[in-house]
Amino acid sequence: EVQLLESGGGLVQPGESLRMSCAASGFAFSSFVMSWVRQAPGKGLEWVSSVSPSGISTYYADSVKGRFTISRDTSKNTLYLQMNSLSAEDTAVYYCAKRDPIGHYDLWGQGTLLTVSS
Amino acid sequence: YVLTQPPSVSVAPGQTARITCGGDKIGSKSVHWYQQKPGQAPVLVVYDDRDRPSGIPERFSGSNSGNTATLTVTRVEVGDEADYYCQVWDSSGDRPVFGGGTKVTVL
Repeated sequence: EVQLLESGGGLVQPGESLRMSCAASGFAFSSFVMSWVRQAPGKGLEWVSSVSPSGISTYYADSVKGRFTISRDTSKNTLYLQMNSLSAEDTAVYYCAKRDPIGHYDLWGQGTLLTVSS
Repeated sequence: YVLTQPPSVSVAPGQTARITCGGDKIGSKSVHWYQQKPGQAPVLVVYDDRDRPSGIPERFSGSNSGNTATLTVTRVEVGDEADYYCQVWDSSGDRPVFGGGTKVTVL
């Protein structure tokens, strides 16, 4: 089955770190750009980060640059997001998504909730 | 690059809903549309302005010209009630850009 399955969300305190994972199955994971997109409670979709198929090139939204690190392990078909120096503004559901070469996202995970609160 | 969507659109069952997405010369870009129901992940309903993924009903269609792209949903059903987001690729920033979303209410 073609799917993405995120894990690793939870409740953390401001300033703490967390790593999210996204397990991919049913498609050639190593061939596609993968991204993280988040959605704060009651808000719209916000792109967070993307990584090239090889994992060499990474891209970040200004709001997370320097704090978040995206990576992928093609041997495990897994995408990661390491998040440091978390603040309340990072509270959101985090989705991993597969990007088609045209530029749209044709596969999304179910999302994992991160809550940053003291 | 900024995409502007109306916050809400209301439509009666069986009628046509039109959701706009405004952006500078958006007609020169490929526009993609997502449907998101409460508590669920987004689902792609139209890509590359007017193409539909398999499994998406023909009632969903898209157009794009000038400074406005439009998602049209004909013969609207109660099950179409959702938030809809447009998205383009911002080549200058090498990143995707999402519109703010439009909540479609079926009266």
